[in-house]
Amino acid sequence: ETGVTQTPRHLVMGMTNKKSLKCEQHLGHNAMYWYKQSAKKPLELMFVYNFKEQTENNSVPSRFSPECPNSSHLFLHLHTLQPEDSALYLCASSQDASGVRGTDTQYFGPGTRLTVL
Amino acid sequence: AQTVTQSQPEMSVQEAETVTLSCTYDTSESDYYLFWYKQPPSRQMILVIRQEAYKQQNATENRFSVNFQKAAKSFSLKISDSQLGDAAMYFCACRANSKLTFGKGITLSVRP
Repeated sequence: ETGVTQTPRHLVMGMTNKKSLKCEQHLGHNAMYWYKQSAKKPLELMFVYNFKEQTENNSVPSRFSPECPNSSHLFLHLHTLQPEDSALYLCASSQDASGVRGTDTQYFGPGTRLTVL
Repeated sequence: AQTVTQSQPEMSVQEAETVTLSCTYDTSESDYYLFWYKQPPSRQMILVIRQEAYKQQNATENRFSVNFQKAAKSFSLKISDSQLGDAAMYFCACRANSKLTFGKGITLSVRP
C-alpha cells in the first residue's frame, strides 16, 4: 500500500481558500491520474499525465489545476471551490497511459478526503 | 464511449461461503482490459484481478476468479471461501482506448 502516497489524507477548506493535494508514486511509472470519488457515483477521471505531459482533461472546472513536475509527483491545486466539490480525491499511476498492451494496470493511492465548507 | 454497469448496490455472504459479483460492460473496442478493484472502508483501493479481453482463459488469483463471457459482455467476480477481510466495496472497470471506466461499485458485507 505504499506504492502511491497522498497527502494530506483529510482536508477541510473554505470556499475562498487555496490548497494543494500532493501525490507521489514510488513504482517507477510514467503515467499519473487524478480521480474524484463521490458517494453513489462511479469514479470520475479528472486528469491524465503521461511522461509529464497532460494528455487528458475531462472537462474539469478551472478551479482545479493540476501540476506534474516529474513522473513521480502530481499535484492538484484547489481554489475557490464549491461545497459540491467535497469528495474523495484519488491519485493513481500506471506504467504508461498510451494504451500499450501490458502497461495499463493502475495503482491507487489512499486518497484525500476533501470537505469544502 | 464505454460503459460499465454494476446493477447490484449491495450483497451479503456468509463467512466461508462463495459469492459472485456481477458486472456488464460495453465497448466498441476490440482490444480492452477488465479489472476488479477492492476498496475496504477508509482504506486504499487495490487491484483484485485483471483480465485481457483477447485471452479466453478466465483469470484467477487465489480465492478470486472471474467468469468472462465476451459475447455477453459480462465479467463477474467469484470470491470463494469468503473471509471477514473481504468486506469492502468492489468496483468493476474496463480499460479501452487508453481510458479506464468504472462501475458504481457494489458493497459486499461478510457475515461471521
